[in-house]
Amino acid sequence: QSVLTQPPSASGTPGQRVTISCSGSSSNIGTKIVNWYQQLPGTAPKLLIYSDNQRPSGVPDRFSGSKSGTSASLAISGLQSEDEADYYCAAWDDSLNVVVFGGGTKLTVL
Amino acid sequence: EVQLVESGGGLVQPGGSLRLSCAASGFTFSDHYMDWVRQAPGKGLEWVGRSRDKGKRYTTDYAASVKGRFTISRDDSTNSLFLQMNSLKTEDTAVYHCVRAKSDSGSRHFDYWGQGTLVTVSS
Repeated sequence: QSVLTQPPSASGTPGQRVTISCSGSSSNIGTKIVNWYQQLPGTAPKLLIYSDNQRPSGVPDRFSGSKSGTSASLAISGLQSEDEADYYCAAWDDSLNVVVFGGGTKLTVL
Repeated sequence: EVQLVESGGGLVQPGGSLRLSCAASGFTFSDHYMDWVRQAPGKGLEWVGRSRDKGKRYTTDYAASVKGRFTISRDDSTNSLFLQMNSLKTEDTAVYHCVRAKSDSGSRHFDYWGQGTLVTVSS
């Protein structure tokens, strides 16, 4: 059971906009920044969004992050087939003194 | 170019020990916190622990699942990070990634990941 809760799966058609939610608590998302990671099949995870809504260089602006209260969201607009991957949210938890990950969301491009 | 290369994985019996290494290059290793993150086969990501930098006296934190069994250390002179794993259990079977925890206005994110090394705990 992950401390951060994500839907196990999401899907969309090419060109569509999809969002992936990440729900936490006051000891993590509520007071700490959220990061998002993308893991393409058979590869190591890659930083996608940091500090709630910042994109590292090289990440397309189709990817965006937001946060409200104890929940965060990753939005992908103009969905492309190469976006098919697992997506994970993560944050530091002040009560547990650990980094906590969401269980991951498998995105399928139909 | 930042590179993180793990080594030391393999097959070990339950109760055994293993030491993983991570060779870092392309950045000033001593300035960064370094973490280990693992992924069991077909499962999600799980944070293992952290080594802070010299400024924070190389203090460490661990996930509850490995605390007391795993020890993270580092050698800034050789740009190396280590994970000593003792009393291994079958549930420790996973790919172990070395990651750089970059600071951004007081918070941290994992901006570089190694490809990982597979640890299999089985009799």
